[in-house]
Amino acid sequence: QVQLQQWGAGLLKPSQTVSLTCAVYGGSLSGSYWSWIRQPPGKGLEWIGEISHTGGTNFNPSLKSRVTISLDTSKNQFSLRLLFVTAADTAVYYCARRKAAAPFDHWGQGTLVTVSS
Amino acid sequence: DIVMTQSPDSLAVSLGEWATINCKSSQSVLYSSNNKNYLAWYQQKPGQPPKLLIYWASTRESGVPDRFTGSGSGTDFTLTISSLQAEDVAVYYCQQYFNTPRTFGQGTKLEIK
Repeated sequence: QVQLQQWGAGLLKPSQTVSLTCAVYGGSLSGSYWSWIRQPPGKGLEWIGEISHTGGTNFNPSLKSRVTISLDTSKNQFSLRLLFVTAADTAVYYCARRKAAAPFDHWGQGTLVTVSS
Repeated sequence: DIVMTQSPDSLAVSLGEWATINCKSSQSVLYSSNNKNYLAWYQQKPGQPPKLLIYWASTRESGVPDRFTGSGSGTDFTLTISSLQAEDVAVYYCQQYFNTPRTFGQGTKLEIK
């Protein structure tokens, strides 16, 4: 059974960078697509972007200029960096997996990132 | 982007009764070459990540009780929960995986009346 465990800094100041990592247990990165999704407090879900097992990426156009997603196959992990954060980036960030042409079937536990001066 | 709009935003249903949640997409998510609707439903309980309930608009994920039923095609979809249980209290989201960016509905909060 695939499990995703994520971690990263939870309190940032404006203009700093969100840096989160998600480790995949019980399966490999191969054959899947690895996403980051966020949820502002009390609000809905926003897809940030994804990286495929081959390293190809897709991003939400609304965040594309500030987002990097990378893969570390040796550690079975993938990571998110979101640059130049503001209070509007305060959210619970989730990592998630999908197969090709499929929805998100496995999710990390979520990390609350708060941006405050 | 495909905009997903759910209705209602919230609803309260008595235990043992039916709950119906609607989801409308701004463009069709039916892929003509395989006749599949690229539409999923998730359940999210407080403090937890979303849980996949339904995919291909009507296929239950393994382990999901059969009181959860998805229906619809093209741009209009419905999640029906029959015989509501206390553990069904949650926020429900629809999501299209027809194209990128993946988009979600705004969520429907289901409570017990």
